Amino acid sequence: SAVISQKPSRDICQRGTSLTIQCQVDSQVTMMFWYRQQPGQSLTLIATANQGSEATYESGFVIDKFPISRPNLTFSTLTVSNMSPEDSSIYLCSVEGAEDYGYTFGSGTRLTVV
Amino acid sequence: RKEVEQDPGPFNVPEGATVAFNCTYSNSASQSFFWYRQDCRKEPKLLMSVYSSGNEDGRFTAQLNRASQYISLLIRDSKLSDSATYLCVTRSNTGNQFYFGTGTSLTVIP
Repeated sequence: SAVISQKPSRDICQRGTSLTIQCQVDSQVTMMFWYRQQPGQSLTLIATANQGSEATYESGFVIDKFPISRPNLTFSTLTVSNMSPEDSSIYLCSVEGAEDYGYTFGSGTRLTVV
Repeated sequence: RKEVEQDPGPFNVPEGATVAFNCTYSNSASQSFFWYRQDCRKEPKLLMSVYSSGNEDGRFTAQLNRASQYISLLIRDSKLSDSATYLCVTRSNTGNQFYFGTGTSLTVIP
C-alpha cells in the first residue's frame, strides 16, 4: 500500500489565521481525499482532490474555507482558512488502495485553534 | 439515518476473552466493507477487508450479512494490544465514497 507523509503533525493556531496541511504520497495516485475527525466523532469527508481539476467538495464544505491544491499525482495541500475554535480537529489525507484494501491514511494533523 | 452505525461501547474485557462488534449499514448497494483500527491519537489503519464468505486473520474473524445489512468483527483471545477503537467502513457502489462508523472502543484489561 502507498506510504503517505503528512505535515505538520500538529499545530496551535490563532483564530482568524490559516494553516496549510501537506500530503506527499510515495506513488502516483489519481485521487486524494481529505477527511476531518472531530473529537469523539468519526471521519467526515471534506473533499476529493483530483489532479488537473477542481476539488470536489462534500455538503457543508466550501472551497473558500478549505481550498485544496493538487499540482501533481503525488502531492496535495489542504488549507483551513480564517480559522475559528470550531475548526479544531484532526485532518487526515488519504489515498485509495486496490479494491480490497480500502484507504491508506496519512498520520494526521492535530489542529487546535485558540 | 447514518450510513454506518456502530455501538460506541466502551467494551472492557479481560485478557483472553472473546469479544464481538456489530455494525449496520443503510445502503443495500454498498460494495465493499472493512474494519479499521484506530489507536489513540493515531490515524486509522486497515485491519481487514470483509468478504461475503467471511474471512479470518489469526484471532480476528469478520463476517458480512447482506440480507440484514450488518458486518461483524470477532476477536478471540484478546490481548492488551487489541485496545483501540474499531471503525466499521463501507464503500459505496459508485466506488469513490467511503462511509465510516463512529467506532467502537475496546479496552482489554490485564
